[in-house]
Amino acid sequence: KAGVTQTPRYLIKTRGQQVTLSCSPISGHRSVSWYQQTPGQGLQFLFEYFSETQRNKGNFPGRFSGRQFSNSRSEMNVSTLELGDSALYLCASSPRREPGNTIYFGEGSWLTVV
Amino acid sequence: AQSVTQLDSQVPVFEEAPVELRCNYSSSVSVYLFWYVQYPNQGLQLLLKYLSGSTLVKGINGFEAEFNKSQTSFHLRKPSVHISDTAEYFCAVSDYTNAGKSTFGDGTTLTVKP
Repeated sequence: KAGVTQTPRYLIKTRGQQVTLSCSPISGHRSVSWYQQTPGQGLQFLFEYFSETQRNKGNFPGRFSGRQFSNSRSEMNVSTLELGDSALYLCASSPRREPGNTIYFGEGSWLTVV
Repeated sequence: AQSVTQLDSQVPVFEEAPVELRCNYSSSVSVYLFWYVQYPNQGLQLLLKYLSGSTLVKGINGFEAEFNKSQTSFHLRKPSVHISDTAEYFCAVSDYTNAGKSTFGDGTTLTVKP
C-alpha cells in the first residue's frame, strides 16, 4: 500500500507570493491533517479535514487555508507569504477521527520563502 | 488544553549505552500517548503508543516507554542504542476533546556516537 504522498517536495517562493501544497493520503484513510515543522518550534498543528470538512484548526492566521476533495486528497494554501513561513509542511493521514489512531506522515514539502 | 514537554532538546550517547528520552504531558482528560521518530529528510513514523492497559509499552527497534499517570510522564527508553538510532524523537498526545489533532513536543535529538 502506498504511503502518504506530498508534492512538491521542495520549493522556493518570494515574499508576497502564494503557494499550494498537495497531499495524497494512504488509500482508505479519510482523515488528513497538516503540520508545520520549524527548528525549535517542533510540529505545530495547522488543520484537519475529514469527509471534505475542516474539523479542527490550529492557531494560524487566515493566510493558511486548506481543503479536502471527495477522494480524500487534500491541499493547503498559504497566501501572501512571509519569511517566517519557511518550514517543512507535513501531511498526515489516518483511517478515522479517533484520537488513538496512528497517524501516518508523508515526507513533507520544504518551503523556503526569500 | 493539551501540552507536551520534552525535557531534553539534545541527548548525546555512546553506542551500546542505554538511553532515556523524557516526556511530560498535561491534559484535563484521559489521553493517548505516542512516540514518533524522524530520520533526516523523512517524515515521522510511529515507534509506539499507549492507549490503555499495561503501562509498559513496547515498540519497534527495541524501544519501550512507560506511562506514569501520577507523574504525567511517558518516557522512552532503549537498553542499548545503535548508530542507526540517531534521529529526532517526538512525544505526542491526543484525546477525545480534540479528535483529529495531535499535540507534539518540541523534539529530542538523539545522537549516538561510536
